[in-house]
Amino acid sequence: GIQVEQSPPDLILQEGANSTLRCNFSDSVNNLQWFHQNPWGQLINLFYIPSGTKQNGRLSATTVATERYSLLYISSSQTTDSGVYFCAAMERYSTLTFGKGTMLLVSP
Amino acid sequence: DTGVSQNPRHKITKRGQNVTFRCDPISEHNRLYWYRQTLGQGPEFLTYFQNEAQLEKSRLLSDRFSAERPKGSFSTLEIQRTEQGDSAMYLCASSLAGLYNEQFFGPGTRLTVL
Repeated sequence: GIQVEQSPPDLILQEGANSTLRCNFSDSVNNLQWFHQNPWGQLINLFYIPSGTKQNGRLSATTVATERYSLLYISSSQTTDSGVYFCAAMERYSTLTFGKGTMLLVSP
Repeated sequence: DTGVSQNPRHKITKRGQNVTFRCDPISEHNRLYWYRQTLGQGPEFLTYFQNEAQLEKSRLLSDRFSAERPKGSFSTLEIQRTEQGDSAMYLCASSLAGLYNEQFFGPGTRLTVL
């Protein structure tokens, strides 16, 4: 099955800083999603982005499907951005394979 | 518009007991998925349904686990003879089948087996 790797595993930022999270996947995908997991365990949908670029406020994402990677950009980070960010890929039209996540801590 | 809901949110049980979790998907979604997440890991796929048909099961789903979606709406996941290794967060997600198949997750059921 498809392999999904995320980097960095941990990231500590000062409030206001920008960051880039990376997701590499081993095969072509039909679906790629980014999630933010809050401290209570809820997965919040950030982007559905099998290819191209999308923006939502301070967050944006780019997937280059031909090179098998996706990037999540967080600008002007806030303490509420803290948590775990997951990338998940779908190689067939069925189930998601998740990476191990990037743990982000934004300090005031 | 309600999202995916799961009950209970927390369950503490003793080893050897049976437990059952429920998931109610987003109403127009015909696909329903179960995932399991252990500490420090990403969620791992267990099984999924399209309408009432169970289309795929992971090797993680031992014979102590059974899932149903009898009328193509809500689903239940039962674990028989629980073991301490079953302690995890159990997540349910739903989506529409097709080319655009974004999955939306419920809040999860956190299981602790003593």
